[in-house]
Amino acid sequence: DTAVSQTPKYLVTQMGNDKSIKCEQNLGHDTMYWYKQDSKKFLKIMFSYNNKELIINETVPNRFSPKSPDKAHLNLHINSLELGDSAVYFCASSQDRRAGSDTQYFGPGTRLTVL
Amino acid sequence: GEDVEQSLFLSVREGDSSVINCTYTDSSSTYLYWYKQEPGAGLQLLTYIFSNMDMKQDQRLTVLLNKKDKHLSLRIADTQTGDSAIYFCAERSGAGSYQLTFGKGTKLSVIP
Repeated sequence: DTAVSQTPKYLVTQMGNDKSIKCEQNLGHDTMYWYKQDSKKFLKIMFSYNNKELIINETVPNRFSPKSPDKAHLNLHINSLELGDSAVYFCASSQDRRAGSDTQYFGPGTRLTVL
Repeated sequence: GEDVEQSLFLSVREGDSSVINCTYTDSSSTYLYWYKQEPGAGLQLLTYIFSNMDMKQDQRLTVLLNKKDKHLSLRIADTQTGDSAIYFCAERSGAGSYQLTFGKGTKLSVIP
């Protein structure tokens, strides 16, 4: 039933490790996104991916890379994790970012803790 | 760049109306959204309004938009304890823009 799902819900790992977060949407949407929500609840977009076109927020370190095996999935890979990467990561999807009425639907979030 | 501002906290008594305010700076905003985030959960889209509208009502929710002042508000009538959450205002610039800019969220606490 879940429209946008993410796994895992919680991820605790050591500094320097490489980890992935998975996202799947069953809404038939064309565009998927990754957001980072820091400890102060501020949401910032990291990536937008549509039909093999990736738009990156220039402030995102290149240790972060999205991978889309198909239209319904956009996974987030993080290399060499740092303490500052601890946050909640939200995946979202929308029908078509070019459409004015496009609305984004969010997943439940993945809480990443880097020790 | 675009900026969206909200007050951080609001406390109301159960049964009263809640009004959550938001201001934004981007005059080319086309759509404005309200999302709700319950503790430990993801963001849930509550409602949105197109910039050529000044009001939208959906059951207990009323959205008011003053485009001249770049001010958006969300009114929740008959506030319930289940409405306790963080409410995020977000704006979207121009058709073709992929990016939503979020405010920092207003934490609504409902006192029984």
